[in-house]
Amino acid sequence: DAGITQSPRHKVTETGTPVTLRCHQTENHRYMYWYRQDPGHGLRLIHYSYGVKDTDKGEVSDGYSVSRSKTEDFLLTLESATSSQTSVYFCAISEEPYEQYFGPGTRLTVT
Amino acid sequence: QKEVEQDPGPLSVPEGAIVSLNCTYSNSAFQYFMWYRQYSRKGPELLMYTYSSGNKEDGRFTAQVDKSSKYISLFIRDSQPSDSATYLCALDRGSNYKLTFGKGTLLTVNP
Repeated sequence: DAGITQSPRHKVTETGTPVTLRCHQTENHRYMYWYRQDPGHGLRLIHYSYGVKDTDKGEVSDGYSVSRSKTEDFLLTLESATSSQTSVYFCAISEEPYEQYFGPGTRLTVT
Repeated sequence: QKEVEQDPGPLSVPEGAIVSLNCTYSNSAFQYFMWYRQYSRKGPELLMYTYSSGNKEDGRFTAQVDKSSKYISLFIRDSQPSDSATYLCALDRGSNYKLTFGKGTLLTVNP
C-alpha cells in the first residue's frame, strides 16, 4: 500500500459522536486525499491537502473537516457523526497528478 | 450529463477470454487517463495511466484513449481468475491533482 496506513481500520460509533480518522504516509508525498466509497456512488473526494496546513474541499465535504500539521499525517474529523456517514473511507497520496496511491481503508459504521 | 460514465457490470468471462472495459467522458479538458484495480475489501491500486491519446501496453493489459470520441478502454488478454476485481477509470485535468473516478466495473473471471 505504498507506505500508507490508516487507523482505525474498523470503527462503530453512535450518532452524534465525534470521530477522527488518521492517515499516515512514509513516502513524503505532497498531496493527500480523503475519499469515501459507497455502493452506487463510487469514490467521492471529501477533502484534500496540497501541503502542510493547506487544504481544500472536495465534492462531499459537508459534515467533515481535515487537518494536516505534518507532511506525513492527514486527519479526517466527523464533528457529529450521522448514519449517512457510514461508509468506507480511503486515504490517498500523490506526487504526480496521474498517480494516486491508496491506503487500505477504514470501515466506519454509525449506528 | 455526468463527467465520467462507466458500465458497472457485472461482467463475467471464462478464463483466457479477452476482456474490454470502457469509460466515456464529457469534458475535453481531461489530459491523464488512469485505470485502477480494486480487490474486494482493499484499496484501489493504480494499474496504468496514459497521457493524451494513444495506446499503452503493460504485459496482458492495454490502455487505449480516443480523445476525439472521449472514450477510454482497458483490454485484458488471457484473463485469469486473479483478475477478478472491480476496475475503475479515473481522469485528471493535469492542473489540480484531483481525479474524477468512474463508478467501477465488477469483473469475474471463471476458471
